[in-house]
Amino acid sequence: ILNVEQSPQSLHVQEGDSTNFTCSFPSSNFYALHWYRWETAKSPEALFVMTLNGDEKKKGRISATLNTKEGYSYLYIKGSQPEDSATYLCAFLSGGYQKVTFGTGTKLQVIP
Amino acid sequence: DVKVTQSSRYLVKRTGEKVFLECVQDMDHENMFWYRQDPGLGLRLIYFSYDVKMKEKGDIPEGYSVSREKKERFSLILESASTNQTSMYLCASSWRTGLGGYTFGSGTRLTVV
Repeated sequence: ILNVEQSPQSLHVQEGDSTNFTCSFPSSNFYALHWYRWETAKSPEALFVMTLNGDEKKKGRISATLNTKEGYSYLYIKGSQPEDSATYLCAFLSGGYQKVTFGTGTKLQVIP
Repeated sequence: DVKVTQSSRYLVKRTGEKVFLECVQDMDHENMFWYRQDPGLGLRLIYFSYDVKMKEKGDIPEGYSVSREKKERFSLILESASTNQTSMYLCASSWRTGLGGYTFGSGTRLTVV
C-alpha cells in the first residue's frame, strides 16, 4: 500500500483568511493526482485532476499546484468562506488508473 | 446531471447475514470501484472493475466479493457479515484512464450487529 499523507489533519480558520494544505505522495511511477472536496452528508466532488509536473489549476478561489519530482501538491483557498468547510482529499494514481491511493484528508472548518 | 446511485443510505444487518450493496452509474463509465471509509484510515479500495465481468482486488478484499454483469451496475457482496465490516461504503466510477476524476455515490452506512 502506497503512502499518501495529507497535512494538517484538521484546521480551523476565520472567514476571509487564506489557507493551504499539503498532499505528499511517492515521487516515482506518477500517473495523476486528484483533489476532492467532501462535504458532510454529501459525495466527494472532484476539484482538480493534475498530471504534469508544475501544473497549476484554479477554480474560483481554490487553486492547486503539483510537484511530481519531490512528491507533493498544495491546495490553496483564498478568502475562506463558511461554505468551504469540508474535508479535502487527495488521490494519488500510480502506474495507470488501476492503482489509486487516497490520503486521509484535511478537515477544514471556516468560522464565520 | 451525471450520477452514481447507491441503493441504500443506511443499512443494519445481523452478523452472518449475506449483504448486497448495489451501485448504478449512468455515465457509461468503464471503471467502477468500491471503497470503505473508516475514521482515521481514509478511503480504502475493496475491489474495482474495469469492464463487464472483470474484477480486481483492491487493498482490503477479504470478506467481500463483487459482481459486474452489466456495465452500469457494480455490486458489493458481504458473504457473511461481521461486526468489523461496520463502515461507510462508497461506490465510484470513472472513465478508463481515470484522468477525468471519479464520480462518487452518496455512500451506504452499514451497521452489522
